[in-house]
Amino acid sequence: GENVEQHPSTLSVQEGDSAVIKCTYSDSASNYFPWYKQELGKGPQLIIDIRSNVGEKKDQRIAVTLNKTAKHFSLHITETQPEDSAVYFCAASRESGGSNYKLTFGKGTLLTVNP
Amino acid sequence: EAGVVQSPRYKIIEKKQPVAFWCNPISGHNTLYWYLQNLGQGPELLIRYENEEAVDDSQLPKDRFSAERLKGVDSTLKIQPAELGDSAVYLCASSQGLAGPDTQYFGPGTRLTVL
Repeated sequence: GENVEQHPSTLSVQEGDSAVIKCTYSDSASNYFPWYKQELGKGPQLIIDIRSNVGEKKDQRIAVTLNKTAKHFSLHITETQPEDSAVYFCAASRESGGSNYKLTFGKGTLLTVNP
Repeated sequence: EAGVVQSPRYKIIEKKQPVAFWCNPISGHNTLYWYLQNLGQGPELLIRYENEEAVDDSQLPKDRFSAERLKGVDSTLKIQPAELGDSAVYLCASSQGLAGPDTQYFGPGTRLTVL
């Protein structure tokens, strides 16, 4: 099955700096890569996703890059703000197909943005 | 639009007792998921429903866990009997059920403590 590794496990940055979180995956057939943000006491919330026919996707201060050859993808947050502080999870799955469609999550990165 | 609703938010029980969690997905969402989230880990899929049918329950420990989704809307997840190792957050998510992976929307979760 799929295995997703996420680094770093904790990340502390100063407000206004950039933050980068990296993930690798093992299943070369995976082609859907979402990123979730989880605040304390809440469920994960999708912030951005990317499919394998795209190498990069950007949404305001958030961007995700994908390297299918190396089987890794990254989340980039620019101009970080204190409200960006949360746990971020990457995930990977194949496209549809019964049990093949299953999100496998990384272990998460605790991002702290210091004012 | 209301999000995924879960109840209770918190549950404390003694080991060997039964417990049940309830989930109401976003209106119109055909696919419903139950995840287990241990402390410091990403969510792990327990079971996925498409309408009333459990299409992936390979990760559900069937000796003590059961789930149902009557009429293809609300769902309940039950543990009987609970063990100490079941202490975790149980997340419910739903998605429209489009062909291919579609966005999963998570509820706030139920935090279970087994004493």
